[in-house]
Amino acid sequence: NAGVTQTPKFQVLKTGQSMTLQCAQDMNHNSMYWYRQDPGMGLRLIYYSASEGTTDKGEVPNGYNVSRLNKREFSLRLESAAPSQTSVYFCASMRGSDSSYEQYFGPGTRLTVT
Amino acid sequence: SQQGEEDPQALSIQEGENATMNCSYKTSINNLQWYRQNSGRGLVHLILIRSNEREKHSGRLRVTLDTSKKSSSLLITASRAADTASYFCATDNFGNEKLTFGTGTRLTIIP
Repeated sequence: NAGVTQTPKFQVLKTGQSMTLQCAQDMNHNSMYWYRQDPGMGLRLIYYSASEGTTDKGEVPNGYNVSRLNKREFSLRLESAAPSQTSVYFCASMRGSDSSYEQYFGPGTRLTVT
Repeated sequence: SQQGEEDPQALSIQEGENATMNCSYKTSINNLQWYRQNSGRGLVHLILIRSNEREKHSGRLRVTLDTSKKSSSLLITASRAADTASYFCATDNFGNEKLTFGTGTRLTIIP
């Protein structure tokens, strides 16, 4: 049982480049989330998906798009990377819909945009 | 904007001592959770306390919740070097399945 996996672990992009961060969970969870973590800011929600086929904006969605490919996978895309998107990105999942609100986190992707 | 704010921002104590960190939040909640993050790792869930509960224990962890003051505290007893980490509170608002995280308390246990 791998839990939540993320790829890649590290990435360096130049301004304007695009990339997709991949996330997968093997716990049959309904809900999935993308967060970014910046020093002194805690975690901020970018997008989330309460179930397969649905996505909703979080606190800081600008500059990002997401796809809930199936129940297991939830990807985050940066179409035109900016230095302000330098951050650590975490994917999380939650069973949801049954009063279980514990979120399980992946190991993170450290992204630097130059 | 951040729902929860932890206090203090950083805390250093001797191994074996107790560590207390606090969380304040702004709006009514369904439940409050505490997470731990070791350096360079993802967050790990520690404990959840529901809005109708006042105190909860799990091993060396004790969490209290005061909904009238919109605050919670996390007590770690008999601290160990392995407790060195950042601790975050997170709140959800009546089952909308989103959590709002605080800015965290960085705890250092001195051997």
